[in-house]
Amino acid sequence: AQSVTQPDIHITVSEGASLELRCNYSYGATPYLFWYVQSPGQGLQLLLKYFSGDTLVQGIKGFEAEFKRSQSSFNLRKPSVHWSDAAEYFCAVGNTGNQFYFGTGTSLTVIP
Amino acid sequence: GAGVSQSPRYKVAKRGQDVALRCDPISGHVSLFWYQQALGQGPEFLTYFQNEAQLDKSGLPSDRFFAERPEGSVSTLKIQRTQQEDSAVYLCASSFTGTGGTDTQYFGPGTRLTVL
Repeated sequence: AQSVTQPDIHITVSEGASLELRCNYSYGATPYLFWYVQSPGQGLQLLLKYFSGDTLVQGIKGFEAEFKRSQSSFNLRKPSVHWSDAAEYFCAVGNTGNQFYFGTGTSLTVIP
Repeated sequence: GAGVSQSPRYKVAKRGQDVALRCDPISGHVSLFWYQQALGQGPEFLTYFQNEAQLDKSGLPSDRFFAERPEGSVSTLKIQRTQQEDSAVYLCASSFTGTGGTDTQYFGPGTRLTVL
């Protein structure tokens, strides 16, 4: 069975600081990995996704994520956080069987 | 419209009432998902459609939950005899291809259901 773990329920960073949100997955085959962001009152929006190939993927809004098979991780990073990045971030894993699983999310607070 | 729409945005039901939640996916999208998001949790998969075919309903929590997409576009999630534990945000998402589990999903704003 697939599963996704986001160990950090809540993270606070200062504006301009770097950010890393952790995600660990459990899946027997090559996973299809996603990061979505949910802002207050907004729907979920895709930040980036990984299927195969280059393990460092670039997304929107300056985000990137690195797939590490040996660690079963797909951590999200951003070099310099902006106040508008405050939101809930969800890691997710999908498969060709059309099953899709989200983690429990990490809430990001940005301090001015 | 350009995006996924859901209606109503908010629904308050008395325990025992039936409710119907509507999802209008992006035109032409083959795949459609329903998720349930409890407060402070991530979305949990309920069911998946490929066109009009419901290929996976393993996430539906009980036989009180029923979903349909009769013409392969609009979908309705129906909850019969609502219970307090059904209170949640119900999200709908669509994707262009028939492999929704691997494709980008576009989410609607959700319907917040409160059961009193």
